[in-house]
Amino acid sequence: QTVVTQEPSLTVSPGGTVTLTCASTPGAVTSGFYPNWFQQKPGQAPRALIYSTSNTHSWTPARFSGSLLGGKAALTLSGVQPEDEADYYCLLYYGGAWVFGGGTKLTVL
Amino acid sequence: QVQLQESGPGLVKPSETLSLTCTVSRGSVSSGSYHWSWIRQPPGKGLEWIGYIYYSGSTNYNPSLKSRVTLSVDTSKNQFSLKVNSVTAADTAVYYCARYSSSFNWFDPWGQGTLVIVSS
Repeated sequence: QTVVTQEPSLTVSPGGTVTLTCASTPGAVTSGFYPNWFQQKPGQAPRALIYSTSNTHSWTPARFSGSLLGGKAALTLSGVQPEDEADYYCLLYYGGAWVFGGGTKLTVL
Repeated sequence: QVQLQESGPGLVKPSETLSLTCTVSRGSVSSGSYHWSWIRQPPGKGLEWIGYIYYSGSTNYNPSLKSRVTLSVDTSKNQFSLKVNSVTAADTAVYYCARYSSSFNWFDPWGQGTLVIVSS
């Protein structure tokens, strides 16, 4: 049974740095899982931020970056802004099918 | 840029079939560079990938939904569609369509989503 796990919630201060992670059970996340990251604000559709581990879209703010960290996919926000408060979802590829993580609710406080 | 818009009934009775259509504008479903996806989100919960279809009709489905889901594409109308049969309350969700790039492995853009409630 494939399970993709994210931190349910995280809190960060404005201007701070926070790292969200995305783990796969079983096994470690590699670039072959093509990790994607999405931001979703209340009442809105998800917006793509990162694809294939660390690639950003043209609209992705520079403070967002993606990487692999300790066998997990990671999304790091550096210099967090109040408008970054949102739900964040990772998405991993499992050879023909994609699986979302449960999401991380990021609070900026 | 490409825009996607979901449409279909907002209320479906249990055991019946949920049917939604996604209309693509400022782009073509016949583009060989993309697959056309469906994703859903139950109220207050996380996202679930349902599947995607290529313009040729080739499909990939979420294994947990595969037995109840059918995707189709209509290139003449520049649309693709989702059917989920034998629905229950657990199928109540906001349904999103999205474009998937198999070359770069990203999902964008997304439609605004449409809420489907399963209730008698």
